[in-house]
Amino acid sequence: EVQLVQSGAEVKKPGESLRISCKGSGYSFTSYWISWVRQMPGKGLEWMGRIDPSDSYTNYSPSFQGHVTISADKSISTAYLQWSSLKASDTAMYYCARHRSGSYCRDWGQGTLVTVSS
Amino acid sequence: DIVMTQSPDSLAVSLGERATINCKSSQSVLYSSNNKNYLAWYQQKPGQPPKLLIYWASTRESGVPDRFSGSGSGTDFTLTISSLQAEDVAVYYCQQYYSTPPWITFGPGTKVDIK
Repeated sequence: EVQLVQSGAEVKKPGESLRISCKGSGYSFTSYWISWVRQMPGKGLEWMGRIDPSDSYTNYSPSFQGHVTISADKSISTAYLQWSSLKASDTAMYYCARHRSGSYCRDWGQGTLVTVSS
Repeated sequence: DIVMTQSPDSLAVSLGERATINCKSSQSVLYSSNNKNYLAWYQQKPGQPPKLLIYWASTRESGVPDRFSGSGSGTDFTLTISSLQAEDVAVYYCQQYYSTPPWITFGPGTKVDIK
């Protein structure tokens, strides 16, 4: 069974750093890309960027380029989304999803809620 | 960038009636070399991640009830729920996966409720 298991909810203060994770199992981790998707409270889905775990090549949406970093450690089948300095506006649910190049997202993680508040 | 729009923003349909959601892309998502539309539909219920319903514009995902169907080509697409059930109350999103570099964009979503 394919599973994407994300790390737990986080509460952080503005200016703090954070890394959340997405661990894949039940499939060849390097055969599928991982995308990250943001959903702000009560809002829609926003694609942030993706990584190819086989070579760690990344693409970012222009809206998120420079604000977050996507990485992966294929030795432990885990992708990451990180911030160096959080803002209150980063408060959102973040989902990871797996897909092939030029393809739809069949499998999703359960989501990680990030709350940034002073 | 390919911009996705959806209409209506929300709709309320009686149980057993048809629900129709429209999705429009700012440029064609039909790839001429394989004649495939790079368009998917997702269902999201409160507190849950999105669930894939339809891909390649009209291919139903395994396990998805056949009351859900997708149609359209190029820039205009439709998701139809032929006979709305209580469990279909959700927000529905279209998504294009055509762009290069490999970018994904979602529509703003359509909320479906029971009338």
